Amino acid sequence: DGGITQSPKYLFRKEGQNVTLSCEQNLNHDAMYWYRQDPGQGLRLIYYSQIVNDFQKGDIAEGYSVSREKKESFPLTVTSAQKNPTAFYLCASRGGASGRSYNEQFFGPGTRLTVL
Amino acid sequence: SQQGEEDPQALSIQEGENATMNCSYKTSINNLQWYRQNSGRGLVHLILIRSNEREKHSGRLRVTLDTSKKSSSLLITASRAADTASYFCATDESGGYNKLIFGAGTRLAVHP
Repeated sequence: DGGITQSPKYLFRKEGQNVTLSCEQNLNHDAMYWYRQDPGQGLRLIYYSQIVNDFQKGDIAEGYSVSREKKESFPLTVTSAQKNPTAFYLCASRGGASGRSYNEQFFGPGTRLTVL
Repeated sequence: SQQGEEDPQALSIQEGENATMNCSYKTSINNLQWYRQNSGRGLVHLILIRSNEREKHSGRLRVTLDTSKKSSSLLITASRAADTASYFCATDESGGYNKLIFGAGTRLAVHP
């Protein structure tokens, strides 16, 4: 799982509550990403950030929000506006300015969110 | 949107056999990447092939890319039980900010 940590590993939320998922990396990567994975499916991009204090919507941003105040951290908030939030959430980061691994994304271990 | 589509969705083989997975995509790409995911875990990068490359090797992995057909294949030779996982292709669209678009994956089961 490289130098990316996600917490918590499991998260339970009641309907109508906002919840924040943590993602921290110590790889000195500029770019960070949030994906959602549903059972038996591939990953869908929620938000991404190329640099501190900047982020862009992905394909399924509705009901989610992010911030990028520090290079190491890219927290994701799942708001009550997200109608079907139960899923596996994966955070990733991408390498520095040059090198063999520049285009490779490094993934965290994921957070499994369940809405009760 | 999902660009990469893997085929087959599931594959079951015996140890020692080769496993081949295919991926098709729709638009122009900078590169195509293959990732592996063990159940309930994050993804691990396996190999990247650029749009101007046709074949690449890494250990027991062989990847091909046919940009005219917009398709790629991943071959795992001499498979082991430890290769049991889901395998995803991901395309990096030309002009994108390294936004990877993932397919639904192939679930590989290797039986001892």
